[in-house]
Amino acid sequence: DAGVIQSPRHEVTEMGQEVTLRCKPISGHNSLFWYRQTMMRGLELLIYFNNNVPIDDSGMPEDRFSAKMPNASFSTLKIQPSEPRDSAVYFCASSLEATNEKLFFGSGTQLSVL
Amino acid sequence: DAKTTQPPSMDCAEGRAANLPCNHSTISGNEYVYWYRQIHSQGPQYIIHGLKNNETNEMASLIITEDRKSSTLILPHATLRDTAVYYCIVRSNAGKSTFGDGTTLTVKP
Repeated sequence: DAGVIQSPRHEVTEMGQEVTLRCKPISGHNSLFWYRQTMMRGLELLIYFNNNVPIDDSGMPEDRFSAKMPNASFSTLKIQPSEPRDSAVYFCASSLEATNEKLFFGSGTQLSVL
Repeated sequence: DAKTTQPPSMDCAEGRAANLPCNHSTISGNEYVYWYRQIHSQGPQYIIHGLKNNETNEMASLIITEDRKSSTLILPHATLRDTAVYYCIVRSNAGKSTFGDGTTLTVKP
């Protein structure tokens, strides 16, 4: 298995632009998680899905952030409009189930908003 | 979610055992303890997890106290490649996995 695949690996954009991050979970995994990592705040859980349904989005910072999971093999995290404070590494992770199963992380997307 | 407390940093000599402690005094009876590590800016990597019994795998051993309020991750023979940030988390039944600040382990030659 190729593991969790994220794209792009790096994204540089200007303030105000729309940014879309993509994630392909491990085949057969039913749960998908989006995390954001910064030096100041560490690893923060933004949202997670179970069977393609968003279960908890309390970590999504504001309305500029949205996440979708149209099918079991694909998820997007969108920021519109982007701001410099959104600069971070965004990780996607998947697990067999939402509870008490180990997480498999992707390599992350390094986002820089200028 | 139960919170965890870890020392911010630790050093270990190469070839020696690294013992990383974690406090999780508010853990619930059916919550598991998980350990992950993150090397440089890579995604966190799963190491081991347990509920109440001690666990061992090819990477490490996990010792959980009888009252489950703390645990210790043991890397039996640390190598330079084990230098990383180690996270101890408690996985809630709600599915959330909240990462704290972790322990930065530096393995020295």
